[in-house]
Amino acid sequence: SQELEQSPQSLIVQEGKNLTINCTSSKTLYGLYWYKQKYGEGLIFLMMLQKGGEEKSHEKITAKLDEKKQQSSLHITASQPSHAGIYLCGAGSNSGYALNFGKGTSLLVTP
Amino acid sequence: EAQVTQNPRYLITVTGKKLTVTCSQNMNHEYMSWYRQDPGLGLRQIYYSMNVEVTDKGDVPEGYKVSRKEKRNFPLILESPSPNQTSLYFCASSRDGFNQPQHFGDGTRLSIL
Repeated sequence: SQELEQSPQSLIVQEGKNLTINCTSSKTLYGLYWYKQKYGEGLIFLMMLQKGGEEKSHEKITAKLDEKKQQSSLHITASQPSHAGIYLCGAGSNSGYALNFGKGTSLLVTP
Repeated sequence: EAQVTQNPRYLITVTGKKLTVTCSQNMNHEYMSWYRQDPGLGLRQIYYSMNVEVTDKGDVPEGYKVSRKEKRNFPLILESPSPNQTSLYFCASSRDGFNQPQHFGDGTRLSIL
């Protein structure tokens, strides 16, 4: 199965600061997904990227997929306490049906 | 409201006592999947189903069974639960599975003593 490495594992930022979370694969990514999870709760879909060089934004969150389709980043601008949670990247296989996830990045935003 | 519903949300049980976690979706999705989430190991896929009567193993299928007799339901069966299956379980669904974002249930926290 495809291994996805996320970095950093955890992050504490002050409210208003920007931050970036990375997701790296050793294989070409066929569909890269970003999810957010509140602690102990279900996953909420944020964005999906499929094409090399693709970039998508939603409110203050921007996700990018590099040209080689092996690395994605999630950038949060002017972080707020509501951004706190665990961010997970997931990727489909070339068959599309199996889905693998990174181990997640835990984000805490302090006042 | 579009949703994936899991039951129960919490369960404490004992080793060897068969249990079933139900999952139902109301979006007419073809693809459904089960995951377990453990500290330090992340989210791992147990089984998935591409359509009715079509299922396949994920990364950690040992000790679990699934069935897909109708489109909306995808139960997870633990025939003889063991303590190493204590975990947080998630069911998910997507329209057709092929590189589509998945909708997740709220999770089932299982503790097996």
